Amino acid sequence: SAVISQKPSRDICQRGTSLTIQCQVDSQVTMMFWYRQQPGQSLTLIATANQGSEATYESGFVIDKFPISRPNLTFSTLTVSNMSPEDSSIYLCSVGGAGNQPQHFGDGTRLSIL
Amino acid sequence: QQQVKQSPQSLIVQKGGISIINCAYENTAFDYFPWYQQFPGKGPALLIAIRPDVSEKKEGRFTISFNKSAKQFSLHIMDSQPGDSATYFCAASGQRTNAGKSTFGDGTTLTVKP
Repeated sequence: SAVISQKPSRDICQRGTSLTIQCQVDSQVTMMFWYRQQPGQSLTLIATANQGSEATYESGFVIDKFPISRPNLTFSTLTVSNMSPEDSSIYLCSVGGAGNQPQHFGDGTRLSIL
Repeated sequence: QQQVKQSPQSLIVQKGGISIINCAYENTAFDYFPWYQQFPGKGPALLIAIRPDVSEKKEGRFTISFNKSAKQFSLHIMDSQPGDSATYFCAASGQRTNAGKSTFGDGTTLTVKP
């Protein structure tokens, strides 16, 4: 199974600032997924990042707020822009899931906005 | 529209007891049903999964029961241990639905008391 490393593991940020989260996978993958998990809640897909094309965003998420980069087949970044307290959450990177295969997740970035 | 409904939201079981978590789905195009286990500070990890061509799958103390006609599946944890205390998510996906992306239940927080 894929090993996924996310950085930072946690951060406390000021309102109005932006934070970029990095996701590194130990193997080449076509699709990478970014999820948000609010406290005590389920996983909400933010976007799918394909290498060499624009990310595909789910309803309720926009590129201006969550810009994504996918420079190669093992790396992606998610930026949370102009943060507000409502953005306090866990952000998870994931790969897999295609062809009825399980998804593999990083350990997440725990973000708190003051 | 939530396509996977999970219950209960939380569950407390005595050590040695049986933990049962239920999920129901709506989309008949789903054909892969995994369960994920998430410990605090970690990302979700695959626990066990089933495809609809079988009614039950067992791995150690963990069993998935699947009822295709009722569109329901459940996770049974036999001889529950304090180390099983975690959040459990059911999920569903299909190769021809939602581009193969998983739909997650809301999660069940399991506490096993010693």
